[in-house]
Amino acid sequence: SQKIEQNSEALNIQEGKTATLTCNYTNYSPAYLQWYRQDPGRGPVFLLLIRENEKEKRKERLKVTFDTTLKQSLFHITASQPADSATYLCAVRGGDDKIIFGKGTRLHILP
Amino acid sequence: GAGVSQTPSNKVTEKGKYVELRCDPISGHTALYWYRQSLGQGPEFLIYFQGTGAADDSGLPNDRFFAVRPEGSVSTLKIQRTERGDSAVYLCASSSRQGETDTQYFGPGTRLTVL
Repeated sequence: SQKIEQNSEALNIQEGKTATLTCNYTNYSPAYLQWYRQDPGRGPVFLLLIRENEKEKRKERLKVTFDTTLKQSLFHITASQPADSATYLCAVRGGDDKIIFGKGTRLHILP
Repeated sequence: GAGVSQTPSNKVTEKGKYVELRCDPISGHTALYWYRQSLGQGPEFLIYFQGTGAADDSGLPNDRFFAVRPEGSVSTLKIQRTERGDSAVYLCASSSRQGETDTQYFGPGTRLTVL
């Protein structure tokens, strides 16, 4: 079955630095991969989508890469701010049409 | 409202009781998803509707769980004979399914606690 792995440990980054989160997937070649942000007590919020034929996607301070050979996506937040602290979820759409989410990585930006 | 809404926001029930959780998707969105999220985990797929029909219910854990979407808009997730292990946040998401992508818009969730 499809499996998604994200850093289970929380990530602490100093304000102003770049935060990099990793998403690895196995047993499938998704047509696209999505990143969501989730704050405590709230539902996930869509951030970015990257297709299999795209190497990189940017949106303001966010950058996502997609390496289909390594079966990995990296999510970068540049010039990080305390307000970026949240859990970030990676998701792929499986061949059976289900959206499969990773467990998420908790990011703490330290002032 | 413009977003996905879910009611109730919190539900506390006793083991063995029946509960209904409601989801109001974004107007015009044909796809509706239910997920369950436990603490420290990502959302776990339960069921997906395209219009009125359940296109995929393979994530429902057992026959105590059932969901309907009779008019292709509001959906209700029904749990019979609740067990303590059913305690979780139940998330609903809707999507317009335009083109080949599937950006989902989530509601705030219903926190279910089974005592």
